[in-house]
This record gives sequence, C-alpha cells and structure tokens, in this order.
Amino acid sequence: NAGVTQTPKFQVLKTGQSMTLQCAQDMNHEYMSWYRQDPGMGLRLIHYSVGAGITDQGEVPNGYNVSRSTTEDFPLRLLSAAPSQTSVYFCASSYSDRMVAFFGQGTRLTVV
Amino acid sequence: KQEVTQIPAALSVPEGENLVLNCSFTDSAIYNLQWFRQDPGKGLTSLLLIQSSQREQTSGRLNASLDKSSGRSTLYIAASQPGDSATYLCAVQGAQKLVFGQGTRLTINP
Repeated sequence: NAGVTQTPKFQVLKTGQSMTLQCAQDMNHEYMSWYRQDPGMGLRLIHYSVGAGITDQGEVPNGYNVSRSTTEDFPLRLLSAAPSQTSVYFCASSYSDRMVAFFGQGTRLTVV
Repeated sequence: KQEVTQIPAALSVPEGENLVLNCSFTDSAIYNLQWFRQDPGKGLTSLLLIQSSQREQTSGRLNASLDKSSGRSTLYIAASQPGDSATYLCAVQGAQKLVFGQGTRLTINP
C-alpha cells in the first residue's frame, strides 16, 4: 500500500537548472496538491489539481509549473531554479478538497 | 485571508502528563480542520479530521475539539508517551486549499 510517493528524496541544483519533482498516488484520489515547507513560514500551497487535465495556482506559484495527464501522477516542474526555491516540497492527495489529506515523504531541494 | 496560529511553538513535558495543544484561525468559513503529526525529516500523517458541523473527534488517546464560531481548536493528548514526541500541525480546509499553522514541537521526556 504505497500511498503517495515522491521522488527524489534529496536534490541539489545549480541556479538556472531545471528539474521535475515526481509525485504519484495509488489511491485513485482526484485532488492532488504541492506544498513547500520553509522555516518560519509553515506549509504553503504552490499548485493543485482537482482531476486529470485540471490544474490551478495556489499561494506561491511563481517559478513552478504543473500538469495532470493522469489521475495518478502530478509532477512539479522548476523552470529555472533559484536559491529562493530551496525548501522541502510535499505532495498531497485526497478524494476531494474536503477529505483527509495524505502526504508524501517530501523532497528536500537545495539550490546553490 | 485565512491565518492559522498555533500556541505554544514548543512544549516539553514529562511522560504520563495530559496536555493540550492550541490552534486558532481567523476565518470561520471552513469545511473542516485537520490535525497532523510530522516527525523530523518525514511527511505529515493525518491524526484527526473534524468537519465544520462537528464539535470533536477522538482517536485513541487523542481528542480534538472545534469551536468554529470562536475560531479555535484544541488537541488533547492523554497519558503522553516518549513516542508522541513530534511536531503537531493544524490546518483549516477552505475552498481548494489547506491553510497550515506553523506547528507545535512537542517533546515528551522519559
């Protein structure tokens, strides 16, 4: 019973590089979202999706892109990494935005 | 804009004590409130979800209450154990997103 799986767990990028953080869930959840967690800031919503083909911006979307081609996968793309994007990123899923949210183990990203 | 505050930021108590963690929020128009546990370097694990129409939820030694009109929730932990040491986060569910507090870091001393 995998739940929400995020890869990689750790990543170091140079400024200007691009990369994709992967998120997959095996619970047939419609709602998926990405958060970043920073000291003193708590968790903040980056992007979310209410189903395949539908995405929308959260609180801090700048510098990130998402797409949702399948129910299972919701990748987060960093277009041109900046030191301000150093953070821990969490993917979450739920049956709807009103149900219990299940979180992945996180990706710790450092941009140098 | 919804804001969620958790007090205290850190709490250290001896094993066996009962304790209360507090969460307050500014906008009462919420769908539900969730309490999560986060261990160091790990993801979030859902502990309890209280729908906006409910007053409390219980799971084992945990009891969470919700007073939507006053914008407050409490998480009560009975007979605390060293394994309860973690950061506890509350989050309120509005339209399409969870808004999190910054958490209470709890240490239970043997």
